[in-house]
Amino acid sequence: DAGVTQSPTHLIKTRGQHVTLRCSPISGHKSVSWYQQVLGQGPQFIFQYYEKEERGRGNFPDRFSARQFPNYSSELNVNALLLGDSALYLCASSLEVSGRPEQYFGPGTRLTVT
Amino acid sequence: GIQVEQSPPDLILQEGANSTLRCNFSDSVNNLQWFHQNPWGQLINLFYIPSGTKQNGRLSATTVATERYSLLYISSSQTTDSGVYFCAVIEYGNKLVFGAGTILRVKS
Repeated sequence: DAGVTQSPTHLIKTRGQHVTLRCSPISGHKSVSWYQQVLGQGPQFIFQYYEKEERGRGNFPDRFSARQFPNYSSELNVNALLLGDSALYLCASSLEVSGRPEQYFGPGTRLTVT
Repeated sequence: GIQVEQSPPDLILQEGANSTLRCNFSDSVNNLQWFHQNPWGQLINLFYIPSGTKQNGRLSATTVATERYSLLYISSSQTTDSGVYFCAVIEYGNKLVFGAGTILRVKS
């Protein structure tokens, strides 16, 4: 079975631009979460979606938004990019949000803002 | 929110040596995961271990939830074990809170 997939793998953008990152969860998983990892730190929670509804939001500005589609794939959008948005963006999927919410991560999208 | 602390921050081992990584958390948790992040950034699931002990080959993990810590044991280390090891606890809902990680370097 395929794991979590993310696209693109790498991306270079200029300050002020907009970016869209994509994630496909493991087949059968209905929850998708997004994390940002800057160099030298652990991943930080951005959003969680379950059954197309936002279930949680981390401490990120409104420039960050996301959505989940009927097929449970997800997009993360970042507007008005800043240099500080340069990071590895990780997507994780899980079967559910209660019971056994074990999360599985994709390979990430490395975003560089110049 | 919950705080997660990992120790040591860095560890250098000779191939074949054993090691113990520790994860302390500030509040009661029902769920905990250990990950290995490879040099390409991929987070690999090692253990989902809310309590008790689990073993997978040369790796094992123990979580004592009542005392708010978890341990990851690596035996007979290999160069391929190098990377960053993270523990993460699940806060309300499904939000993972990560520690800062332990950087492991295994020398041949």
